[in-house]
Amino acid sequence: KAGVTQTPRYLIKTRGQQVTLSCSPISGHRSVSWYQQTPGQGLQFLFEYFSETQRNKGNFPGRFSGRQFSNSRSEMNVSTLELGDSALYLCASSAETRETEAFFGQGTRLTVV
Amino acid sequence: KQEVTQIPAALSVPEGENLVLNCSFTDSAIYNLQWFRQDPGKGLTSLLLIQSSQREQTSGRLNASLDKSSGRSTLYIAASQPGDSATYLCAVRRGGSSNTGKLIFGQGTTLQVKP
Repeated sequence: KAGVTQTPRYLIKTRGQQVTLSCSPISGHRSVSWYQQTPGQGLQFLFEYFSETQRNKGNFPGRFSGRQFSNSRSEMNVSTLELGDSALYLCASSAETRETEAFFGQGTRLTVV
Repeated sequence: KQEVTQIPAALSVPEGENLVLNCSFTDSAIYNLQWFRQDPGKGLTSLLLIQSSQREQTSGRLNASLDKSSGRSTLYIAASQPGDSATYLCAVRRGGSSNTGKLIFGQGTTLQVKP
């Protein structure tokens, strides 16, 4: 069974640009969550999508947005990039029940210059 | 507000030692607790998942315990090997219908096992 796939693995963008990251969950998983990881803040929750609906949202500005498609693949978008958005962005997928395990992708390393 | 703390932040041990990593959380209303391993620049690998009704889980040389009432979990690694060197993270999944997917992470313990 294929794991969680995130693309691209690395990105370099300029301040003010926008970026879209993609996440394909494990087959059959309907919940996709996104996290930002930085050395100073650790892992912080961005948002969760379940069956194409945003179910939960973290404390990030509106520049961070996401969506989920009918095949459960998810994208997150960051507009008007700032230097502080440089981070490892991780996607996790879970089956629909609350007790299930979260599986993470390899992440997308975003560098804003 | 749920907070997760991991102690120590870093640990260095000689190969072959048994060791314990600690994780504490402030709100006992959790669905489960999960331990992860992260190698530098990589994603998270799930090690063990403990449901709130369970006391412990074992996988190979790893054993994780959960004491929900005291807000603590430990990850025990037996006979450590250099390949165990990584950052270990614990995360809790909060209870409540509006927080089903959200994991709250500790800052991690970076382990170095010396040959």
